Amino acid sequence: EDKVVQSPLSLVVHEGDTVTLNCSYEVTNFRSLLWYKQEKKAPTFLFMLTSSGIEKKSGRLSSILDKKELFSILNITATQTGDSAIYLCAVNGNKLVFGAGTILRVKS
Amino acid sequence: GAGVSQSPSNKVTEKGKDVELRCDPISGHTALYWYRQRLGQGLEFLIYFQGNSAPDKSGLPSDRFSAERTGESVSTLTIQRTQQEDSAVYLCASSLDAGFQETQYFGPGTRLLVL
Repeated sequence: EDKVVQSPLSLVVHEGDTVTLNCSYEVTNFRSLLWYKQEKKAPTFLFMLTSSGIEKKSGRLSSILDKKELFSILNITATQTGDSAIYLCAVNGNKLVFGAGTILRVKS
Repeated sequence: GAGVSQSPSNKVTEKGKDVELRCDPISGHTALYWYRQRLGQGLEFLIYFQGNSAPDKSGLPSDRFSAERTGESVSTLTIQRTQQEDSAVYLCASSLDAGFQETQYFGPGTRLLVL
């Protein structure tokens, strides 16, 4: 059965800290891995990763995929209170499977 | 252009009643997905429509759940004889087609509360 596991489940940090969120997966017919940020109801797309070792960056956020070890990390540097959200990892195999998410809270 | 829209945004119902949730995908998107998100949990796949193909219903949790889609437009998710454990946010997403499954655009969701 396809499975996506995220860790930690929740995290509280102070503004300015750097955080690393983890996503490991087991899926058949892997095509891509995606990261979403969910603040209210609907997730917003952050990154799509298809190749190992190539870092994707957007401002303070970056992500990388390791297809051999079957995991990805999402880094957020110099965190701000606006980064507080649930971060979802999803893996596209035969269908899109979501992890349970990591709840990030950034304190001022 | 307009994004994915869903209605109602919030629905409170009594246990045992039927509810219908609506999703309007982005025009031209052939693929449409329904997900459920219970409080504190990740997204749970429910059902997937792709063009005129038979839908993938593998995620529907029970036979009380059903969904329909008219062509490549509106979809309705129906929950019959609602139970308290059905309380969740129901999210709809659409994408251009199955080959672009990665780029799913989400609607704002319907928050369902079953009393």
